[in-house]
Amino acid sequence: DTEVTQTPKHLVMGMTNKKSLKCEQHMGHRAMYWYKQKAKKPPELMFVYSYEKLSINESVPSRFSPECPNSSLLNLHLHALQPEDSALYLCASRLWDREEYEQYFGPGTRLTVT
Amino acid sequence: QKEVEQNSGPLSVPEGAIASLNCTYSDRGSQSFFWYRQYSGKSPELIMFIYSNGDKEDGRFTAQLNKASQYVSLLIRDSQPSDSATYLCAVNTPTGTASKLTFGTGTRLQVTL
Repeated sequence: DTEVTQTPKHLVMGMTNKKSLKCEQHMGHRAMYWYKQKAKKPPELMFVYSYEKLSINESVPSRFSPECPNSSLLNLHLHALQPEDSALYLCASRLWDREEYEQYFGPGTRLTVT
Repeated sequence: QKEVEQNSGPLSVPEGAIASLNCTYSDRGSQSFFWYRQYSGKSPELIMFIYSNGDKEDGRFTAQLNKASQYVSLLIRDSQPSDSATYLCAVNTPTGTASKLTFGTGTRLQVTL
């Protein structure tokens, strides 16, 4: 089983709203990732969590706030977003954050900021 | 020079033919390599992962890695219309604190009837 789940599937929010994206995996993976993907572009790494600790922040604006409450769950809190933040937000996980392991993506959350 | 380069395509092959997708990378420290398939509007699906030089086969898919030439390829045998998608090459490069996947821009494959 290589399933990563994400909720919600779709989200429409205004620029003053606060919302959260959720990602879950029950494969015992200890590394989890957030990516952002714009149309016809490859995924761009935003954050890496390893053993529930933030290990990479790719200079993401503070209006995106990640949280890893436990080894199975990863959240992305959104606040005061801009229309250009509209994108597909992808969560991924990996057994360990090491190059010899595969990385699996969840189905994504399609975010529209109005 | 881009870190991971792919021909954007579209690459058009007839049904039943072999599709050959190529990827080059610039960082010699890269150790592992991924091929993802992505249908329009969907998330990337891992189809091949290769870590050692040489060939790795899984069903109709073969990944080939040549670290000396900094080149990785994906062959799809007996191409089917359902293989029509964008194929993303990703290269894993360890950083000081974590491993990071860098993606190419993808090659769009069209399998024609």
